[in-house]
Amino acid sequence: EPEVTQTPSHQVTQMGQEVILRCVPISNHLYFYWYRQILGQKVEFLVSFYNNEISEKSEIFDDQFSVERPDGSNFTLKIRSTKLEDSAMYFCASSEIGRLNTEAFFGQGTRLTVV
Amino acid sequence: AQSVTQLGSHVSVSEGALVLLRCNYSSSVPPYLFWYVQYPNQGLQLLLKYTSAATLVKGINGFEAEFKKSETSFHLTKPSAHMSDAAEYFCAVSDSARGGSEKLVFGKGTKLTVNP
Repeated sequence: EPEVTQTPSHQVTQMGQEVILRCVPISNHLYFYWYRQILGQKVEFLVSFYNNEISEKSEIFDDQFSVERPDGSNFTLKIRSTKLEDSAMYFCASSEIGRLNTEAFFGQGTRLTVV
Repeated sequence: AQSVTQLGSHVSVSEGALVLLRCNYSSSVPPYLFWYVQYPNQGLQLLLKYTSAATLVKGINGFEAEFKKSETSFHLTKPSAHMSDAAEYFCAVSDSARGGSEKLVFGKGTKLTVNP
């Protein structure tokens, strides 16, 4: 069964460092998403990506965040200068089309710990 | 903006008992509604979804949910809990996003414990 894969599963980084979280969406999917879940809080939308550009981003997705699809298979989330409050579980998702009457498939998540 | 409220961050039931996880939504347009499950150390897996067809939706693992517009609810039920149902459950509603895509707005989640 096709699945969304994320690497690494757990990343520890020092405050101020750059991190790149990687995702391989399902191969025939066209829409890609990042969500995050701070411990004990809701899963929150960060950004959606289609046709090599951002479709929408939330207020959380400020200038320290960026996304990229560098090679047609990977979909990355970069945090330029990490802060303690960036510690969270980050989920990548993909869907065949953008309408949510189809299913969005989620990866297992990357737990980011900023120390 | 759309929002979701899940009543009860923790629910505990005995094995074989009814499972009822509550979800209320706020939406200005007819919504798409979803329940996702997260097992320990795993990602979010879709249990079921409502997309304006039948109001009673059946999902995987014996779960079902009923869309009640008058109550703005989409509660998740299972007649008989199994130990393997222990997980965290998230209700979500669709929200339109620019570029023709949609995004999910999640509730805070309900952690289900099943006691032997």
